[in-house]
Amino acid sequence: KAGVTQTPRYLIKTRGQQVTLSCSPISGHRSVSWYQQTPGQGLQFLFEYFSETQRNKGNFPGRFSGRQFSNSRSEMNVSTLELGDSALYLCASRLTLNTEAFFGQGTRLTVV
Amino acid sequence: DQQVKQNSPSLSVQEGRISILNCDYTNSMFDYFLWYKKYPAEGPTFLISISSIKDKNEDGRFTVFLNKSAKHLSLHIVPSQPGDSAVYFCAATGRLGQFYFGTGTSLTVIP
Repeated sequence: KAGVTQTPRYLIKTRGQQVTLSCSPISGHRSVSWYQQTPGQGLQFLFEYFSETQRNKGNFPGRFSGRQFSNSRSEMNVSTLELGDSALYLCASRLTLNTEAFFGQGTRLTVV
Repeated sequence: DQQVKQNSPSLSVQEGRISILNCDYTNSMFDYFLWYKKYPAEGPTFLISISSIKDKNEDGRFTVFLNKSAKHLSLHIVPSQPGDSAVYFCAATGRLGQFYFGTGTSLTVIP
């Protein structure tokens, strides 16, 4: 069974640009959530989607948005990139809302 | 507002000894707790979980203890091995399903 797949693995963008990250969950998993990891901050929750609906949203500005498609694949978009957006972005999928989440390897975004 | 806290950023343990990683939470509505292990440049890997109806869950060398009255959980690794060196995150979730993660503890097991 394939795990959670995130693309691309690495990305370098310039301040002011926008970026789209992609996540394919484990087959059969309908919940996809996104996290930002920066040194010393742990994993900060961005949002979670379940069956194409956003269920939860973390405390991030509106520049961060996401969506989920009917095949459960999810995308995350960050507009008007800032230097502070440089981080590892992790996607996780789970079967139901009260089971463990399985993470992808992440996308390392560097904003210059 | 950090609802899940790991107050020890790092921990060093001799190979073969016990590693104890601690985690505190503030929200009494949390009813499911998890531990994840993370190597550099990889995503976190699920290790072990515990439901609030239990106070202990064991899986091989890993045991998680939950003290609901103290809002505290701990992960015990016995015996510790060099391959256990990684960052460990605890996480908690409740009825709404959102996971809250701690800031992580970096464990180094010294051969």
